[in-house]
Amino acid sequence: QLQLQESGPGLVKPSETLSLTCAVSGASISRSTYYWGWIRQPPGKGLEWIGSIYYSGRTYYNPSLRSPFTISVDTSKNQFSLKLSSVTAADTAVYYCARHLFYDSSGYFWGQGTMVTVSS
Amino acid sequence: QPVLTQSSSASASLGSSVKLTCTLSSGHNNHIIAWHQQQPEKAPRYLMKVEGSGRYNKESGVPDRFSGSSSGADRYLTISNLQSEDEADYYCETWDSNARVFGGGTKLTVL
Repeated sequence: QLQLQESGPGLVKPSETLSLTCAVSGASISRSTYYWGWIRQPPGKGLEWIGSIYYSGRTYYNPSLRSPFTISVDTSKNQFSLKLSSVTAADTAVYYCARHLFYDSSGYFWGQGTMVTVSS
Repeated sequence: QPVLTQSSSASASLGSSVKLTCTLSSGHNNHIIAWHQQQPEKAPRYLMKVEGSGRYNKESGVPDRFSGSSSGADRYLTISNLQSEDEADYYCETWDSNARVFGGGTKLTVL
């Protein structure tokens, strides 16, 4: 049974770096045609795609976001990660990881999400 | 990059039907879209994809009450025989070679 589980600090200070990990179980990241992505949702607002990565390390990011996001993959641990440097209060959100195809949505699957608050 | 437009809210009575709309920006009429449901305080759940032809493909486990359709730049999600658990936010999503984008979401209230 496929599961995606986000983990990371619930509280980050402004200007620090946010690091989140999505552990995948029930499927192999490296034996897959899927992309693995991050989406966030500020409190009371809608969904915003951040970026996605393929097991080869190919990434693409939301061109509308000016924040310096970095997504990486560790196939040996079957997980992928998100880093955001110099966070501000505007980065406070629930962060979801998800599995998706590049040009389709069949098999789309969401993690449960993790709340991140940026505050001193 | 395509833009998706959704009404911010909709309401319908228990047991009735409702049709939610997601509109693609000009020049993107042929795009496939995905519908996601987000019940209160829960993670989103993928429901289905809807093609420009009107064909739709539901994820396994999605009740038969949910269906999709399209007309021009509009993609629809129809929910029949509304149940209380259908009260949720519904988001559409699409993509191109450079990015993925979500609509602003429609908050569905079941009266």
